Amino acid sequence: RKEVEQDPGPFNVPEGATVAFNCTYSNSASQSFFWYRQDCRKEPKLLMSVYSSGNEDGRFTAQLNRASQYISLLIRDSKLSDSATYLCVVNRGTNAGKSTFGDGTTLTVKP
Amino acid sequence: EAQVTQNPRYLITVTGKKLTVTCSQNMNHEYMSWYRQDPGLGLRQIYYSMNVEVTDKGDVPEGYKVSRKEKRNFPLILESPSPNQTSLYFCASVIAVGGYNEQFFGPGTRLTVL
Repeated sequence: RKEVEQDPGPFNVPEGATVAFNCTYSNSASQSFFWYRQDCRKEPKLLMSVYSSGNEDGRFTAQLNRASQYISLLIRDSKLSDSATYLCVVNRGTNAGKSTFGDGTTLTVKP
Repeated sequence: EAQVTQNPRYLITVTGKKLTVTCSQNMNHEYMSWYRQDPGLGLRQIYYSMNVEVTDKGDVPEGYKVSRKEKRNFPLILESPSPNQTSLYFCASVIAVGGYNEQFFGPGTRLTVL
């Protein structure tokens, strides 16, 4: 079993739709969690960190459930520009350098 | 401009010919990492460094070496490349301050080993 697992999709949604991605992690010692966005084999970029209390940034909401060991990302009112691959990232322990990426979930938003 | 640079961006080489991919960051970050990305396998961490002269293995270190002689540079060395090291490689520089953590990635190096 992979340490970080994501539904690969692809998710194909119309503009304006709400879409949710889930990610599960197996190492209960994991300390910090993130969503990154990657466009077409370009470099990944941080979308948002995921905090225990949940956090929101505009149309994006991230949630963490430590008991069930999963992370979610909700995108509301999808835009064409949201089309990308979304990567779930987990840092093990308090070591900022040691990270595990999920394989990514591909989203295509269509007109 | 804050950035992570990698060179070369593209490289085609032959089995066994030693090569180095350079990575440099201008943000004075202590942490740096190397990843490879392969279809269906996502990004996998090769090595990371917590500071000068401090490095540790990631999940797929076999066949790679790194060094961190100065804070800004973190080269990836393939002593004897093999075709299974054909991949897209990303270097990252990591800011970790208090509870905040963000990885800044370089543009990637596409390596083909024949």
